[in-house]
Amino acid sequence: NAGVTQTPKFQVLKTGQSMTLQCAQDMNHNSMYWYRQDPGMGLRLIYYSASEGTTDKGEVPNGYNVSRLNKREFSLRLESAAPSQTSVYFCASSEGAVDTQYFGPGTRLTVL
Amino acid sequence: GQQLNQSPQSMFIQEGEDVSMNCTSSSIFNTWLWYKQDPGEGPVLLIALYKAGELTSNGRLTAQFGITRKDSFLNISASIPSDVGIYFCAGEKWGKLQFGAGTQVVVTP
Repeated sequence: NAGVTQTPKFQVLKTGQSMTLQCAQDMNHNSMYWYRQDPGMGLRLIYYSASEGTTDKGEVPNGYNVSRLNKREFSLRLESAAPSQTSVYFCASSEGAVDTQYFGPGTRLTVL
Repeated sequence: GQQLNQSPQSMFIQEGEDVSMNCTSSSIFNTWLWYKQDPGEGPVLLIALYKAGELTSNGRLTAQFGITRKDSFLNISASIPSDVGIYFCAGEKWGKLQFGAGTQVVVTP
């Protein structure tokens, strides 16, 4: 059981480039989440998917898009990266919307 | 967006000492959670609290869900070097988590 896996672990982009962060879970969870973590601010919810086929905006969705590809996978896309999107991105999953969330190891993204 | 107020921001303690940290909010939460994050890793759940007034222990960790449902605290007793890390509180409402900014704990021998 790998739990929640994220790829890549590190990424450097130039302003305006696009990329997709991948997340997969092997716990058969229904709900999946994307957070960003910035120094001194805790984690903030970008988007979430309460169940396969649904996605909803979180607290800071601007500049991001998501795809719930299937029950296991939930990807986060930056269409045109900006320096303000430099952050550590965490994916999480839970059995249901109100159940305990389990986090992946994170993707450290730098936008120059 | 609304943020939880977590204090202290950081703590430097000696091995064997007890640690206390707390989180307060202006709004009510259904669940309070405490996570620990090691450098380069994702947060790991330590304790989950589901009812107002609930006091729960997990080894040397004890956490309480405040009676008003607007606060929670975490105690670590007899700290050891591996307790070093960042501790986050999180409040759950309508299936979404809101996180505090974290308490960085440094343990010196």
